[in-house]
Amino acid sequence: DIQMTQSPSSLSASVGDRVTITCRASQTIGTFLNWYQQRAGEAPRVLISGASNLEGGVPSRFSGSGSGTEFSLTITSLQPEDFATYYCQQTYSIPPTFGQGSKLDIK
Amino acid sequence: EDQLVESGGGWVQPGGSLRLSCSGSGFTLDDKPMHWVRQRPGKGLEWVSGINGDAATMAYSDSAKDRFTISRDRESLYLQMSSLRPEDTARYFCVKDGGNNILVKGGFFDSWGQGILVTVSS
Repeated sequence: DIQMTQSPSSLSASVGDRVTITCRASQTIGTFLNWYQQRAGEAPRVLISGASNLEGGVPSRFSGSGSGTEFSLTITSLQPEDFATYYCQQTYSIPPTFGQGSKLDIK
Repeated sequence: EDQLVESGGGWVQPGGSLRLSCSGSGFTLDDKPMHWVRQRPGKGLEWVSGINGDAATMAYSDSAKDRFTISRDRESLYLQMSSLRPEDTARYFCVKDGGNNILVKGGFFDSWGQGILVTVSS
């Protein structure tokens, strides 16, 4: 199975800040990498597919980049609703594996 | 907006069985690939099983293999779980895949139900 490792596992930031979360795959996965946001008590929702494609309805302050084994999710100008846990996921091969999550909370 | 609704969760003793169901609210699951993903209390997301729209192609995680069976019809998605263990305690999410085939690269999980809680305990 492909292992996905996110860093940091937790981070604190303030409204208006810019943050970046990194995801590393244990083998190359091209750009078959998705990002999800999960707010407390809610189901996850997809933010970005294919490493950099912003899904419908997702604010443009979210962006994704990377290919191969190194990927990043960047949020510019954090808003109160962005404080949540973020997961990366590879869909290069079965099983589709997730990173352990990166919890973003308010400083 | 697609809405998925799970049912069938609850409490069961170790070794017991449970059948989860998922239906679309206001729409049919049609021919899209579907998955079950679970989240143990306070933990991350774990893919459990997936099935293509033709219901002929399925895949399972190692922890689900030989104990869980995924199936579907035009209206609903199912997960038959047997020989349940305490470590199967989790919230189980029904998920629609935005791709076309669970075995093809590039899928993404574009609709999620709210999840249903399964508790395995004596």
